[in-house]
Amino acid sequence: EPEVTQTPSHQVTQMGQEVILRCVPISNHLYFYWYRQILGQKVEFLVSFYNNEISEKSEIFDDQFSVERPDGSNFTLKIRSTKLEDSAMYFCASSLQGPTFYGYTFGSGTRLTVV
Amino acid sequence: AQKVTQAQTEISVVEKEDVTLDCVYETRDTTYYLFWYKQPPSGELVFLIRRNSFDEQNEISGRYSWNFQKSTSSFNFTITASQVVDSAVYFCALSRLNSGYALNFGKGTSLLVTP
Repeated sequence: EPEVTQTPSHQVTQMGQEVILRCVPISNHLYFYWYRQILGQKVEFLVSFYNNEISEKSEIFDDQFSVERPDGSNFTLKIRSTKLEDSAMYFCASSLQGPTFYGYTFGSGTRLTVV
Repeated sequence: AQKVTQAQTEISVVEKEDVTLDCVYETRDTTYYLFWYKQPPSGELVFLIRRNSFDEQNEISGRYSWNFQKSTSSFNFTITASQVVDSAVYFCALSRLNSGYALNFGKGTSLLVTP
């Protein structure tokens, strides 16, 4: 069964550093997403991306965050200057046509620890 | 605005008991999708079910069943004859069918099944 692949599985970074989280969505999917889950809390929507542009973003997705699909297969989330409160599990997801018929496929997540 | 409420924070049952996880949602949309995800201790999000707002048929899949009632805006999940492997956090989620297709999660219910 096709998978969404996220790398790395765990990243430790120093406060103030830039970090890039990488995702390879399922190849024929058209919609891509990032979600965040702070430890012990609910999963929160960050951003959705379609046709090479952001289609929706949440209040969490401020100027420190950016997304990119640099080469037609990868989908990245960049945090420019990490803060302690950015420590969380970040999930990438993709879907074929929004959730209408096929739902979302989530990756296994990247645990980001900011020290 | 959309909202998903999972009032049960933690549930503990003994193996072979039946358990129902509650989910109540709020939305102004007439068309929407509801989901349940399982998050085992390993952290990934495992898709369990998707239901659209026009389909109020209950669904059964093995020991799992779902009861969708639009009249009470509820989408409850029952595990019959629970097993230790069912121990996980279970999230109910609601999707808007707009351009972003953001998935709005509840806070989750942590289920512990003991032998």
